[in-house]
Amino acid sequence: DTAVSQTPKYLVTQMGNDKSIKCEQNLGHDTMYWYKQDSKKFLKIMFSYNNKELIINETVPNRFSPKSPDKAHLNLHINSLELGDSAVYFCASSRPGGAREQFFGPGTRLTVL
Amino acid sequence: DQQVKQNSPSLSVQEGRISILNCDYTNSMFDYFLWYKKYPAEGPTFLISISSIKDKNEDGRFTVFLNKSAKHLSLHIVPSQPGDSAVYFCAASAFGGAQKLVFGQGTRLTINP
Repeated sequence: DTAVSQTPKYLVTQMGNDKSIKCEQNLGHDTMYWYKQDSKKFLKIMFSYNNKELIINETVPNRFSPKSPDKAHLNLHINSLELGDSAVYFCASSRPGGAREQFFGPGTRLTVL
Repeated sequence: DQQVKQNSPSLSVQEGRISILNCDYTNSMFDYFLWYKKYPAEGPTFLISISSIKDKNEDGRFTVFLNKSAKHLSLHIVPSQPGDSAVYFCAASAFGGAQKLVFGQGTRLTINP
């Protein structure tokens, strides 16, 4: 299937732990994004990579570090997890040429206890 | 500072009738607008978009209207079907804004049989 996929779908962990969320797209897109949907349901951009190069880095704690090994993958690593990191994290991608439409993965629900 | 606002958290419409979802924005640099549909536990799905050079875009049962002077857009769904029950997000982007999407807080649409 052609899609944006994320693993894991659910992640429950203790405060202070380090965790990673993986994202892959097989749509041939060259730009990938991470969004966070908080408890108030707002979807906000965190990071964007174009051809493995960071192009958007919103005001996000530096405990969050994105890594793009190639243009089909964008992983999110979070150090020293805090209660406030609990949210749903969505990966997205968009076509080459500056296309505005973004295609989203199914989301990863992170719960920090 | 919420640049994209959906002032109705919820809307209930009878099957077969027209659903109208509204969205307002404040940033005059936005030149491209999108609507996404989201089911529970899934990622947002792209529905329809409109460039600021147009005032209407239609795709099947879905039509988006843009009123630039009022900084307002709306999504019309006609006729509404039970499968349209979902949360609808309005999003906007600015040319040169690194393709960042700024989302509204969503409107939950319920279609009643």
